[in-house]
Amino acid sequence: DIQMTQSPSTLSASVGDRVTITCRASQSISSWLAWYQQKPGKAPKLLIYKASSLESGVPSRFSGSGSGTEFTLTISSLQPDDSATYYCQQYKTYWTFGQGTKVEIK
Amino acid sequence: EVQLLESGGGLVQPGGSLRLSCAASGFTFSSYAMGWVRQAPGKGLEWVSAISDNRGGTHYADSVKGRFTISRDISKNTLYLQMNSLRAEDTAIYYCAKYEKVQEGSIRINNYYYMDVWGKGTTVTVSS
Repeated sequence: DIQMTQSPSTLSASVGDRVTITCRASQSISSWLAWYQQKPGKAPKLLIYKASSLESGVPSRFSGSGSGTEFTLTISSLQPDDSATYYCQQYKTYWTFGQGTKVEIK
Repeated sequence: EVQLLESGGGLVQPGGSLRLSCAASGFTFSSYAMGWVRQAPGKGLEWVSAISDNRGGTHYADSVKGRFTISRDISKNTLYLQMNSLRAEDTAIYYCAKYEKVQEGSIRINNYYYMDVWGKGTTVTVSS
């Protein structure tokens, strides 16, 4: 099974900050990685697919990069609405999620 | 607009059964793979099961294999999850998800699927 590890588990940043979340796969998954945003009491929402492709309607301040085993999600200028938990997910072999990163606004 | 609406959740005793439904609209249901993802209280996301678009091939997480069955009714645009022999650790919000397919390769084509649309979820509680 492919394991996904995210870091950090939580982060606190100010509005306007650049925020980066890291996701590591236990083996190479090429670019078969997605990022999701989940707000409390809501369903997850797709942000990024194929490691760096922005889903339609998602603000351009979100971006993804990486391939193989190392990936990052970057929020270029953190906004109050970005307070949420973010999950990476590999879809090379079945589907596995990272444990999540909770982003808080200072 | 693509919409997924889950139903069928509730309180059930350990060892009991429950069937979840997911009504799909706004897209050609038969053309897409579909699946279920769950989230235990205060925990992260866990993939549960998936069913392919055309031939109806099914896949299950080891944690539910042999107890859960995924199916779809094309005529009703509805996805199902039959859950038997339920355990306390099955307590979770269950989300229905539509998959988007990406193809790679020219001679040998490989398909990869990610979840692009999610329902709002239905809550399953297994407790005596």
